Amino acid sequence: AQSVAQPEDQVNVAEGNPLTVKCTYSVSGNPYLFWYVQYPNRGLQFLLKYITGDNLVKGSYGFEAEFNKSQTSFHLKKPSALVSDSALYFCAVRALWDYKLSFGAGTTVTVRA
Amino acid sequence: EAGVAQSPRYKIIEKRQSVAFWCNPISGHATLYWYQQILGQGPKLLIQFQNNGVVDDSQLPKDRFSAERLKGVDSTLKIQPAKLEDSAVYLCASSLEMGRTGGSPLHFGNGTRLTVT
Repeated sequence: AQSVAQPEDQVNVAEGNPLTVKCTYSVSGNPYLFWYVQYPNRGLQFLLKYITGDNLVKGSYGFEAEFNKSQTSFHLKKPSALVSDSALYFCAVRALWDYKLSFGAGTTVTVRA
Repeated sequence: EAGVAQSPRYKIIEKRQSVAFWCNPISGHATLYWYQQILGQGPKLLIQFQNNGVVDDSQLPKDRFSAERLKGVDSTLKIQPAKLEDSAVYLCASSLEMGRTGGSPLHFGNGTRLTVT
């Protein structure tokens, strides 16, 4: 069975500081990995994905994520956080051979001015 | 392009009543998903369609939940009868992906917030 762990329920950072949201996964075989963001009363919005190739993936709104196969991690990063980045972030994983996409429990990011 | 459309946005019902949610995916998207998102948790897949066929419904409580996707486009999700623990946001999503290969992202609707009293 595949699973995703987001070890931090909440991340608080000051505007302008680096932001990191952690994600580790468990899947049989090679993974597809995704990050989504959810604003209040909205559906999830796609940020970025890793399928193959470079371990550093760049996505929307200045976000990037680094795939680390040995540590089975896919941490989301942003060099300089904005107040508008405050939202709920979800990591998701899918095995290459499977249809099913599994989500983590989410991490609430709060960026203070 | 138009996004995934869901209705209604909010619904309040009493336990043991029935309720239905509607989803219109992005045009041309073959795969449609219904997720249940309970407050404080990540989305949980209820059912996944490829065109109008069911790919995965292993986590759908089939004694009370049903879903259909007629003609491979719109979909409805029904709960009958509802229980208190069904209170959640029901998210519909669609993707281009036609098969197991490929990593097309999911596009989500804004969801239906269901409150069962």
